[in-house]
Amino acid sequence: DAGVIQSPRHEVTEMGQEVTLRCKPISGHNSLFWYRQTMMRGLELLIYFNNNVPIDDSGMPEDRFSAKMPNASFSTLKIQPSEPRDSAVYFCASGKRNPGEQYFGPGTRLTVT
Amino acid sequence: DQQVKQNSPSLSVQEGRISILNCDYTNSMFDYFLWYKKYPAEGPTFLISISSIKDKNEDGRFTVFLNKSAKHLSLHIVPSQPGDSAVYFCAASREGASGSRLTFGEGTQLTVNP
Repeated sequence: DAGVIQSPRHEVTEMGQEVTLRCKPISGHNSLFWYRQTMMRGLELLIYFNNNVPIDDSGMPEDRFSAKMPNASFSTLKIQPSEPRDSAVYFCASGKRNPGEQYFGPGTRLTVT
Repeated sequence: DQQVKQNSPSLSVQEGRISILNCDYTNSMFDYFLWYKKYPAEGPTFLISISSIKDKNEDGRFTVFLNKSAKHLSLHIVPSQPGDSAVYFCAASREGASGSRLTFGEGTQLTVNP
């Protein structure tokens, strides 16, 4: 299995631009999670899906952030418009419903200038 | 509200000695606990877990201990090796009707010196 795949690995964009991060979970996993890691806040959950349905988006910082999971093998996290404070590493993870182990992708390092 | 806390941001040990990483939690509803290891420029990788019905789980050099009354868990690595140098995250899970989500601690940077 290739593991969780994320693209791009690095993204540099200017403030105000739209950014789309992509994730392909491990086949057979029915939960998908988006995390953000920063020095100040550590690893924080943004949103997670079960069976392609968003379950908890309370971690999404504001309306500029949106996430979709149109099918079991693909998810996107979109930021529009992007701001410098969005600069962070964004991780996607997938897992089975039980017990709770999650498998992380390599992350996307986003820099907004 | 930080429900999972790792109070030591860093730990340095000598190769061959024991590494002990600590984690405290506040939510008594957590019923499953995990440790993840993270190398630079990589995603966290699952290391070991423990259910709340147990107090110890061992996997090779890694042992996790859970003290429910104290709401405390620890990860023991023995003997420590230079390749163990990484950031270690403690995580807790509360199984709900809609599936489980993990709450992570801040992480502890472990450095094992040769």
